Amino acid sequence: QVQLQESGPGLVKPSETLSLTCTVSGGSISNTNVYWGWIRQPPGKGLEWIGTVHFTGSNYFNPSLKSRLTISRDTSKNQFSLKLASVTAADTAVYYCARLLLWFGGTDHWGQGALVTVSS
Amino acid sequence: QSALTQPASVSGSPGQSITISCTGTSSDVGSYNYVSWYQQYPGKAPKLMIYDVSKRPSGVSIRFSASKSGNTASLTISGLQAEDEADYYCGSYTAISTLVFGGGTKLTVL
Repeated sequence: QVQLQESGPGLVKPSETLSLTCTVSGGSISNTNVYWGWIRQPPGKGLEWIGTVHFTGSNYFNPSLKSRLTISRDTSKNQFSLKLASVTAADTAVYYCARLLLWFGGTDHWGQGALVTVSS
Repeated sequence: QSALTQPASVSGSPGQSITISCTGTSSDVGSYNYVSWYQQYPGKAPKLMIYDVSKRPSGVSIRFSASKSGNTASLTISGLQAEDEADYYCGSYTAISTLVFGGGTKLTVL
């Protein structure tokens, strides 16, 4: 069974860079039939797709976040990572890492979520 | 990209059927058979209930079904049970190779 686990700081200062890593177990991020991505949910609000990476290195980003966003993968560690630069309070959210089916037809495995608060 | 449109809330009594709509555009729901539905309990990660418009992952109850017509997708829950009370989100692939979600619908079982 594929499992995902987010890790990283739970508190980030405004204007700094938010960094999270997702460790995948029970499956390989080298699987060419799936994508790996990040989705966030501000407190009390809905889901927002952040971006997605494929084993080949192809990236797909939310246009509203693209200028601040980096998503990378480390196949040797079976991990993928998120960096979001120049954060503000509006970036405070629960961040989920997830596995996405081809063509983003469904997100079938989710991490438990990591709350990241942007505050000085 | 604009979020897909879902009703903020729906309700139903145990045993009844309810339908949640998800309206997009010809650039997302209307053009691709890559619509998904998620169930989320408070404080928990979403769970995939439907993928590729109408396919159920293994382990999801057959009481959950979905379809699409034009720019609108729909999730139907039949034989409503107390445990179905949760938030439901739809998602769709888009013409610019992104994923967009709906605003979410709170289902109340009366």
